[in-house]
Amino acid sequence: ETGVTQSPTHLIKTRGQQVTLRCSSQSGHNTVSWYQQALGQGPQFIFQYYREEENGRGNFPPRFSGLQFPNYSSELNVNALELDDSALYLCASSLGSLSGNTTDTQYFGPGTRLTVL
Amino acid sequence: DQQVKQNSPSLSVQEGRISILNCDYTNSMFDYFLWYKKYPAEGPTFLISISSIKDKNEDGRFTVFLNKSAKHLSLHIVPSQPGDSAVYFCAASWGPAGNAGNMLTFGGGTRLMVKP
Repeated sequence: ETGVTQSPTHLIKTRGQQVTLRCSSQSGHNTVSWYQQALGQGPQFIFQYYREEENGRGNFPPRFSGLQFPNYSSELNVNALELDDSALYLCASSLGSLSGNTTDTQYFGPGTRLTVL
Repeated sequence: DQQVKQNSPSLSVQEGRISILNCDYTNSMFDYFLWYKKYPAEGPTFLISISSIKDKNEDGRFTVFLNKSAKHLSLHIVPSQPGDSAVYFCAASWGPAGNAGNMLTFGGGTRLMVKP
């Protein structure tokens, strides 16, 4: 069983640029959540995708956007990068269900370290 | 407003002794709590969880205690081992964390150092 994978591992961008981060969910999982972890802090929820639809969003501006594909992999896009966007971006997958048969936890990938100069 | 807080940024413990990590929350709507461990350059790894209908959950060396009236939970590691040295995050959600629509709210983390 393959776990959650993310690419790239590291990325350096300059202010104003755009970036796309990718996540492959664990086999059998249909829900992907994205988190931002700034240095010295806990992860903060950005948004979640369930069956290709955005299914919840944290306190992040619209320049943070995402997609989920039919195979349940996902992308996080950030436009007009700012210095404060420098962080570790974590993707987590789980099995979500409207009928209640779900995984108890979210399984995290290793993250993408984004540096904005 | 921080809804989940870990007030100790670091904790140092001797190998073989008990490690106790604490977490407080303010939102009474949280009913599912988790602990994750994180090594450098890796994503958080799930350790143990507890739902609000319980006050204790054990898994090997790890035990989580929940005090709903105090809005407080703690993770006990007995005995502590050098390999336990990592950053530990407490997290909370409304319902099973894996379910669609449920997000995790994390504390700031506690760095545990277990000395040989």
